[in-house]
Amino acid sequence: AQSVTQLDSHVSVSEGTPVLLRCNYSSSYSPSLFWYVQHPNKGLQLLLKYTSAATLVKGINGFEAEFKKSETSFHLTKPSAHMSDAAEYFCVVSDPGTGFQKLVFGTGTRLLVSP
Amino acid sequence: DAMVIQNPRYQVTQFGKPVTLSCSQTLNHNVMYWYQQKSSQAPKLLFHYYDKDFNNEADTPDNFQSRRPNTSFCFLDIRSPGLGDAAMYLCATSSGGSGRGVEQFFGPGTRLTVL
Repeated sequence: AQSVTQLDSHVSVSEGTPVLLRCNYSSSYSPSLFWYVQHPNKGLQLLLKYTSAATLVKGINGFEAEFKKSETSFHLTKPSAHMSDAAEYFCVVSDPGTGFQKLVFGTGTRLLVSP
Repeated sequence: DAMVIQNPRYQVTQFGKPVTLSCSQTLNHNVMYWYQQKSSQAPKLLFHYYDKDFNNEADTPDNFQSRRPNTSFCFLDIRSPGLGDAAMYLCATSSGGSGRGVEQFFGPGTRLTVL
């Protein structure tokens, strides 16, 4: 079975400083990995996804993630945090079924951004 | 813009009083999903439809039912809501197929309060 572990439940940064949200995955085969963001009382929005092409994946709003097979990691980074980045972030692995994708979610990391 | 729409955004019901949540999509996707997300938790898949084929998760209570009258609409029925069913309910869609990296598109959610 596939799974993801988000290593931090909360991360606090100051505006303008780098962001690092950590995720490790477990998969018996080459996974598809996603990062979704959820702002308060909103649905989930896809930030980026990895599907076995380039290991460095660029997403929206300046976020990127690097797939490291040797470390089974897919950490999310951003060079400079903005106040609007404050939200809940979910690392997700896809468990493909027949004709659909079952998403396996991490427990989430709440990003707090202070002025 | 193509999108996933959920109505209402906020729903209040009484203990034991049936309630129906609505989801519609303009993406013409084959697959529609319903998730339950409790406070500070990751979304939990309840069931999904692949076209008209209904697929229930093994641990979804019988109290939760779903209908998909056509490609665009999907409903979540809670027959006798309990206090423990208070949550955000998220609808999502994806194109059919189990290929790598198939993205799910989420609606904004309906927050259900049970009094």
